[in-house]
Amino acid sequence: SQTIHQWPATLVQPVGSPLSLECTVEGTSNPNLYWYRQAAGRGLQLLFYSIGIDQISSEVPQNLSASRPQDRQFILSSKKLLLSDSGFYLCAWALGTGSVNEQFFGPGTRLTVL
Amino acid sequence: DAKTTQPPSMDCAEGRAANLPCNHSTISGNEYVYWYRQIHSQGPQYIIHGLKNNETNEMASLIITEDRKSSTLILPHATLRDTAVYYCIVSNFNKFYFGSGTKLNVKP
Repeated sequence: SQTIHQWPATLVQPVGSPLSLECTVEGTSNPNLYWYRQAAGRGLQLLFYSIGIDQISSEVPQNLSASRPQDRQFILSSKKLLLSDSGFYLCAWALGTGSVNEQFFGPGTRLTVL
Repeated sequence: DAKTTQPPSMDCAEGRAANLPCNHSTISGNEYVYWYRQIHSQGPQYIIHGLKNNETNEMASLIITEDRKSSTLILPHATLRDTAVYYCIVSNFNKFYFGSGTKLNVKP
């Protein structure tokens, strides 16, 4: 069966510090991968999605970046965090074939920028 | 950007049917309607999806109007564990744009 992992589960970082959040998927090949952010009391905002290694699309211009060094690994990064980067970060995967795909979400990382 | 409109909150008595509406008046012919729910501090969970026919699974039923401009998610017998934020999403590919959703409060 497929599983999706995210770490760390929680993170407290000072403003201006770098960020690296990791997501890995097991049990499937060539998945589509996604990063979402959820601010407190808000819906999910799509940040990045990837249909393959080194194929990443950005949905919202900001100080975040994403990389996909391996088929089932998706990394969210920042060189300098802002206060507004605080939120709940969710990674998701979906089958890479077809046009109707259920997305499966990871447990999330709760980031607090102070 | 989200292409759906949902009421911010709804109440439902335990054991009764919960009917959650969604407007998607700009939906395109090849876009599907998806429903997810999010229980506090967890990732969203898939519930059901459909194109134009009504759909039913073990969790819920999805009723889509004939003009496809709106839909209703039905939880036939709501339990306290169904308390969550319910998101209605339209998508023709793998990109999902979540709106603010409906907070469903199931009360004993």
